[in-house]
Parts: sequence; C-alpha cells; structure tokens
Amino acid sequence: AQSVTQLDSHVSVSEGTPVLLRCNYSSSYSPSLFWYVQHPNKGLQLLLKYTSAATLVKGINGFEAEFKKSETSFHLTKPSAHMSDAAEYFCVVSAHGQNFVFGPGTRLSVLP
Amino acid sequence: DAGITQSPRHKVTETGTPVTLRCHQTENHRYMYWYRQDPGHGLRLIHYSYGVKDTDKGEVSDGYSVSRSKTEDFLLTLESATSSQTSVYFCAIGSVSADTQYFGPGTRLTVL
Repeated sequence: AQSVTQLDSHVSVSEGTPVLLRCNYSSSYSPSLFWYVQHPNKGLQLLLKYTSAATLVKGINGFEAEFKKSETSFHLTKPSAHMSDAAEYFCVVSAHGQNFVFGPGTRLSVLP
Repeated sequence: DAGITQSPRHKVTETGTPVTLRCHQTENHRYMYWYRQDPGHGLRLIHYSYGVKDTDKGEVSDGYSVSRSKTEDFLLTLESATSSQTSVYFCAIGSVSADTQYFGPGTRLTVL
C-alpha cells in the first residue's frame, strides 16, 4: 500500500524568498516520486520525478527535490519564488509504474 | 498537454442522466487513466486502461464505466449522474513503462 502526506495545505512566501513544500510518503516497494503543478483552471504539469537514479532531482522552472529514504521524504524547494509560481502542487508516489497515489495538494501563494 | 484532449471541457447535466466524457490522445501511449479531482482529496483514480479493450477499476469506480475500443480514445461514462459526481475529471496517459503520467486539460462536470 502507498500513501502520500503533504504537510501543509497552504504555504505563503514573499517574492524572491525560498520555497519549501513538504511531502512524506509510504510505500511497500521502491517508489517513484513526482511533483506536479496545477495553475488555476489548468491541467497538471510534471515538474520533476525521481525513479531510483540521483537522489537530488532537478526540475523545470528552478525547482528541485531531494529523495531521502531514511526520512521517507521528497520535499520540493526553489531558492527564489516568483509570482508565476503561485499554484497548487501535488506530490505523487507510485510503485512499478502502477497505482499513482496523489497527495491532497499544497497551495502556494506568492506575495509581492 | 502532451497531445491529450478532453471533450467536453464543461458540462452541466441533471441528476439521473447518462454522461460520457471523451479523452483523445495522439501519442500512441498504451496506458490511459481517468481521475476525478475534489478539494482536499488531490486526484483519485476512477478507472484505467492498459490496452485496447483492457481496463480495470481504480479507487473510486462505483457509478462509472469505461471503454477503450481504439488506442487513442478512452471514454468515461456516468451511467446515471448524481450530485456527488460533480467534479473536475482529468484524463492521463502513460508510456509502456508507465513511469510517468501526462495529463489532459480537464472537464468540469456539474450535476444539478
């Protein structure tokens, strides 16, 4: 069985400051992990994915995430927030490419 | 959106009527998925397909059926729509390895 916990339902940062969106997972197998972003009234766009290669994964738009097996975490970070980063972010876990399980989402607000 | 279209994009219907949503892909991917998105739940899998005429149930399949007669099309049918099926529905596709999913733009369905 797999599950995902996104520890914050809403995160608010000022433009130019760092972003940290937290994700913890549970999986019976070696997991694949993903972050997707959803802008208002849009579909989901893949930000980055971890599939058992390098534990530090770089994605689009300056985002990156680090897979920490000992902590069962896959937190998403960005050094400097931009107004266009305001969106909903979903952490996702899967095993063997099957059964994608989504977290409930974290809404990121970026203040000017 | 990786060559995925959904139709209709918006639909309002009445309780008890049948509704069919269509997902069309131009990527020739083997795997196709239907999700629903509700506040606080992230995305939940309704049904998925791993090939033409091969489908299986997801987490929230009650009240839904699917069909896949061609690689490029995956239909979701609400046999008798209920107000609890008011949601945003997303289609996704995955490659042979199915290690990543790509999402369509979504269909907003309102059942009155």
